[in-house]
Amino acid sequence: QSALTQPPSASGSPGQSVTISCTGTNSDVGGYNYVSWYQQHPGKAPKVMIYEVTKRPSGVPDRFSGSKSGNTASLTVSGLQAEDEADYYCSSYAGSNTVVFGGGTKLTVL
Amino acid sequence: QVQLQESGPGLVKPSETLSLTCSVSGDSISSNNYYWGWIRQPPGKGLEWIGSIYYSGYSGYTYYNPSLKSRVTISVDTSKNQFSLKLTSVTAADTAVYFCARRGDWASSRYPDAFDIWGQGTMVTVSS
Repeated sequence: QSALTQPPSASGSPGQSVTISCTGTNSDVGGYNYVSWYQQHPGKAPKVMIYEVTKRPSGVPDRFSGSKSGNTASLTVSGLQAEDEADYYCSSYAGSNTVVFGGGTKLTVL
Repeated sequence: QVQLQESGPGLVKPSETLSLTCSVSGDSISSNNYYWGWIRQPPGKGLEWIGSIYYSGYSGYTYYNPSLKSRVTISVDTSKNQFSLKLTSVTAADTAVYFCARRGDWASSRYPDAFDIWGQGTMVTVSS
């Protein structure tokens, strides 16, 4: 079970859109529609932003959206705001009731 | 409002056993809709899933990260509405913030397979 691959960093100016990728294998991302995305501010616990690839929990702005193609899932943040600056992690179901996380992406709002 | 709270020693000696407890309020561990799990984050690094327990009927079903399976035990105390983590033979590489979290099952939870509720995290340092 290897960690999912995310870019270490991403950035964008306020109002712009940024997309973060999350690449796995047929045994995790590609095999199930159970990809989640989490936002983590420094010193805080992660917060779920997307579940089941594309769905947003109650209270999450619709600026956050998710998608998947093959073994790669993506998180898009549209209309970037200063408060979106945080670390973002993807996770996927990996079979046999196990979960695997990505290495994390630091999103900087320029 | 569901809340999770981790507790346990902040300092553990190398080769000893790390023991943490997660106290759950606002929900029952026996509710059958959720997996109750542990995730850790070494300083400056990413999240790592440690394992989960699913309590159904009178039994707890455990699932562990294969890379940690030989050293990890997760258990439940339904009378106290708590679940616990034991990690044996710790080294400096086990130094991390440890989070407990609730993950929805596929059949009946509001957010299937997502960790929707997290504890605040507790820092555990392995050092002599």
